[in-house]
Amino acid sequence: AQSVTQLGSHVSVSEGALVLLRCNYSSSVPPYLFWYVQYPNQGLQLLLKYTSAATLVKGINGFEAEFKKSETSFHLTKPSAHMSDAAEYFCAVRADAGGTSYGKLTFGQGTILTVHP
Amino acid sequence: EPEVTQTPSHQVTQMGQEVILRCVPISNHLYFYWYRQILGQKVEFLVSFYNNEISEKSEIFDDQFSVERPDGSNFTLKIRSTKLEDSAMYFCASSRGTSGRGNEQFFGPGTRLTVL
Repeated sequence: AQSVTQLGSHVSVSEGALVLLRCNYSSSVPPYLFWYVQYPNQGLQLLLKYTSAATLVKGINGFEAEFKKSETSFHLTKPSAHMSDAAEYFCAVRADAGGTSYGKLTFGQGTILTVHP
Repeated sequence: EPEVTQTPSHQVTQMGQEVILRCVPISNHLYFYWYRQILGQKVEFLVSFYNNEISEKSEIFDDQFSVERPDGSNFTLKIRSTKLEDSAMYFCASSRGTSGRGNEQFFGPGTRLTVL
């Protein structure tokens, strides 16, 4: 079984400041990890994904995330926040290897990012 | 760029009524999913579908729910007798595969279901 915990349901930063959104996972098999973003009244858009190729993953809009197995973490960062980054961000895990999960994603609770001018 | 589409964007229904939510997955994808998000809660998996049958379902997906791929393009979620607690945003997703690289799920914009 897998689970995801996102620490902080709301994060507020100033424009130009560092964005750090936290995600910790639990998985009985090597996980594939994803960050999705949801803008108001829109669907879920894939930001980036970890698929075991590299621990530091770069995504769209300047976001990146680092997979740390020892910490079971996959935190999302962006060096300089922009007003357009305001949205809700979801971390998700997919258990691939040897399980009975046919691609099911398990999501965290979501983090709403607010960016102040 | 291909995308998943969903109709309607908003559905209002009376408790006990049947609703059908429609999705058009990306054309070369083989795996289809429904998720839901109750207001203020996390996105939850409902069901996955492959080769015209359910491959996995959650405990939420009880006998009131069914899925169907009636033709080569549409993928539907039916709720036979809606309850107040079915009010949620329902997301459809599709993927080429279920494991390995390059098989991420692409989500539609969602259908907001309101049960009165």
